[in-house]
Amino acid sequence: EDQVTQSPEALRLQEGESSSLNCSYTVSGLRGLFWYRQDPGKGPEFLFTLYSAGEEKEKERLKATLTKKESFLHITAPKPEDSATYLCAVQADRGSTLGRLYFGRGTQLTVWP
Amino acid sequence: DGGITQSPKYLFRKEGQNVTLSCEQNLNHDAMYWYRQDPGQGLRLIYYSQIVNDFQKGDIAEGYSVSREKKESFPLTVTSAQKNPTAFYLCASSIRGGRSNQPQHFGDGTRLSIL
Repeated sequence: EDQVTQSPEALRLQEGESSSLNCSYTVSGLRGLFWYRQDPGKGPEFLFTLYSAGEEKEKERLKATLTKKESFLHITAPKPEDSATYLCAVQADRGSTLGRLYFGRGTQLTVWP
Repeated sequence: DGGITQSPKYLFRKEGQNVTLSCEQNLNHDAMYWYRQDPGQGLRLIYYSQIVNDFQKGDIAEGYSVSREKKESFPLTVTSAQKNPTAFYLCASSIRGGRSNQPQHFGDGTRLSIL
């Protein structure tokens, strides 16, 4: 069964303390891996799409990377405004006729001053 | 500004009552989706639609119904048959569905509670 697992469930960082969030997946035929940011009471905000192993995308303090089994979201010198829940989702060959995404449970990031 | 608008932001349901959540998009996207989000769980797919007048059940469609009469609108009805409707409901859209592997974009959700 396809599965997306995110770790850690929660992460507390001091401002400026870099770290990484992990998203591991077990799907047959990855068509795309998506990272989202979700603030409390809001809908997920799209950050990145990664399509193939070795691909990297960057946006401000965030950098997403992809291997054949997992993706990392690296946060460099985070600020308190980076505090949010980060969601990972994959689209696989199975279910691709639906265009559906399989979501992980998210990593709740807190950055304190 | 283009985007997805969900309304209302908060909704309360009485026993035996059906309620309808609105989702409107002005992105000219073909595909639209409804998800349910519960604390500590990933988003779960309720229904999706790839084109007007067509929709398919997702993983947890029981107790829900949808319609897609217009490209820009995809309302979700939570029926009295849904015994545990308290959740955060998210609507999303993408340029195309199916094998397009395009990102989905989300509205800001409706929080449904039982009275």
